Amino acid sequence: DTEVTQTPKHLVMGMTNKKSLKCEQHMGHRAMYWYKQKAKKPPELMFVYSYEKLSINESVPSRFSPECPNSSLLNLHLHALQPEDSALYLCASSQEGLAGETQYFGPGTRLLVL
Amino acid sequence: QKEVEQNSGPLSVPEGAIASLNCTYSDRGSQSFFWYRQYSGKSPELIMSIYSNGDKEDGRFTAQLNKASQYVSLLIRDSQPSDSATYLCAVREGAQKLVFGQGTRLTINP
Repeated sequence: DTEVTQTPKHLVMGMTNKKSLKCEQHMGHRAMYWYKQKAKKPPELMFVYSYEKLSINESVPSRFSPECPNSSLLNLHLHALQPEDSALYLCASSQEGLAGETQYFGPGTRLLVL
Repeated sequence: QKEVEQNSGPLSVPEGAIASLNCTYSDRGSQSFFWYRQYSGKSPELIMSIYSNGDKEDGRFTAQLNKASQYVSLLIRDSQPSDSATYLCAVREGAQKLVFGQGTRLTINP
C-alpha cells in the first residue's frame, strides 16, 4: 500500500484566516515532504521532515508553518496568506529520506486564497 | 540548483504508436531518476525509477538512462488515450530533494 492521504481536498480562505492542511501516511515512512504546485508548473519543494525533525526549509515565508506531530502525520499551518499562495499543495513521503528512494505523493489540497 | 530540462510539448502521438519523452540534466553526479505522470488536476504518480545506465522495462513503459550524455528518456509503447497526461522527469539532488523538469504534455490521438 503506497497511500498518502491529504485533507481537505479543497480549501478557500481569506487573507486573514488561519487554516491547516493535514497529511497522513501509514507506510512506516520516516521522511515527509510538502510541495507547492502552481498551474502548468512542476512541484516546488517547501519543507522536508526526516524522523520528525525539520531537515529542509526552502526559504518558505513564515506565513507557512509546518509541523510533524508524529511519524505518520504532517501538518501545514497557514496564516495571513496572499492570493498568490493559491496553488495545489502536495504532501509526499519516502522510506527514510535517503538518496534513491521513491517519493509517493498524496492527492493534494487545492487552496484558493481570496 | 541543478537543472532538469524537458520539452514542454505538447507532444501529439497517434494511438498505438510509441511515445518518446526526453529529459536532460545538468549535474553529472546525479544518481537517481524518476518519471512521474500527472493527469490534469491530480497529483503526480510514479511511473518508473532508474538508477543504472541502460534500459528498464515495466509493461508498456521503458526508461532509458545514459549518464555519460546526461539524459534520461521514457518510451511508452502501444500508446493509449489514457496515457494523455503531463510527464514529469525528476532528478535527485542531495539526499532528500527532487528537482523536477517543467513536464511534457502528451496527447494520444485516437
